[in-house]
Amino acid sequence: AQSVTQPDIHITVSEGASLELRCNYSYGATPYLFWYVQSPGQGLQLLLKYFSGDTLVQGIKGFEAEFKRSQSSFNLRKPSVHWSDAAEYFCAVGAFGANNLFFGTGTRLTVIP
Amino acid sequence: EAEVAQSPRYKITEKSQAVAFWCDPISGHATLYWYRQILGQGPELLVQFQDESVVDDSQLPKDRFSAERLKGVDSTLKIQPAELGDSAMYLCASSRNPHGFLQETQYFGPGTRLLVL
Repeated sequence: AQSVTQPDIHITVSEGASLELRCNYSYGATPYLFWYVQSPGQGLQLLLKYFSGDTLVQGIKGFEAEFKRSQSSFNLRKPSVHWSDAAEYFCAVGAFGANNLFFGTGTRLTVIP
Repeated sequence: EAEVAQSPRYKITEKSQAVAFWCDPISGHATLYWYRQILGQGPELLVQFQDESVVDDSQLPKDRFSAERLKGVDSTLKIQPAELGDSAMYLCASSRNPHGFLQETQYFGPGTRLLVL
């Protein structure tokens, strides 16, 4: 069965600083991996996804993520954080041959001036 | 840009009452999902439709929850009777028809926040 772990419940960074949000997954085969962002009281917006191919994936809003099979990780990065990036970030894994997603518990990002 | 629509955005009800949520997926999306997101947690799948058929409802509490998608377009999720523990955000998502084993991207609506008193 698939599962996702986001070890950081809450992260605080200064505006302009770099960001890395951690995601570890458990799945027996090649996973489909996603990062979604959720602003307070809103639905989820897709930031980026990995299906196959290049392990470094570019997304919207300047985010990128790197798939590392050896570490079962799919960490999200951004070189310079903006105040508008403050939100909840969810990593999710999908199964080969199915279309449902399993989400992590999320990481809340606070951006300070 | 096409979006998934949900209504109402907020709902307050008393326990033992019935509530219903509506979702209109992106036009042409054959697959529709209902998720429940408890505060502080990630979304959990309740039910998945392919057109008008239920594909997966293994996590749906069928004694009180029901979902339908009669014409394979919009969908309704109902809770009767509501319990205090049902307070959560209910998210609807849709995706295109899956092609083989390829995972199609899910697009989420804004959600319905339910508070049961």
